[in-house]
Amino acid sequence: KAGVTQTPRYLIKTRGQQVTLSCSPISGHRSVSWYQQTPGQGLQFLFEYFSETQRNKGNFPGRFSGRQFSNSRSEMNVSTLELGDSALYLCASSLAERARISNYGYTFGSGTRLTVV
Amino acid sequence: AQSVTQLGSHVSVSEGALVLLRCNYSSSVPPYLFWYVQYPNQGLQLLLKYTTGATLVKGINGFEAEFKKSETSFHLTKPSAHMSDAAEYFCAVRRGEGNQGGKLIFGQGTELSVKP
Repeated sequence: KAGVTQTPRYLIKTRGQQVTLSCSPISGHRSVSWYQQTPGQGLQFLFEYFSETQRNKGNFPGRFSGRQFSNSRSEMNVSTLELGDSALYLCASSLAERARISNYGYTFGSGTRLTVV
Repeated sequence: AQSVTQLGSHVSVSEGALVLLRCNYSSSVPPYLFWYVQYPNQGLQLLLKYTTGATLVKGINGFEAEFKKSETSFHLTKPSAHMSDAAEYFCAVRRGEGNQGGKLIFGQGTELSVKP
């Protein structure tokens, strides 16, 4: 069974540009979450999508956005990149259910390492 | 608000020694608790999780953790460390009710070093 696939693995962008990261969840998983990992702030929740709807959002500026497609694949976009956006962006998928918290774990991808110069 | 505190940003043990990584949480409702491991340039791998039921949880690679509600703790242990256990370990909590979806709150991580 294939795991969570994130592409690309590495990206280098210039300040002011925008970037799109992709995540393909495990087959059958309808929940996809995104996290940002930096040495200073650690792991922080960005947002979660379930059946194409954003169900939960972290405390990030509007430059960070995402979406989920009907096949559960998800993308996140960061516009007007800043140096502080340099981070490892992790995607996680889960067998979460629609109306309640499930007790399933989350499977993470290997991440996309974004460097803003 | 929920939070997670991992005591010790860096722990060093000798190969064959006991591994103990400490995690305390704060939560006003019964928590779902997780331990993840991260190897260099990799994502997070689930070691084990506690949701309900037995408070002693066994995970992969010989790790286990005990949920102690009275102490609000979920410490991770392994009887005998291997060199391959060297990695960063994260404790995380998630709410157990309401439509909160998949938000995990992570501790700051503990880097485990294993000396030969």
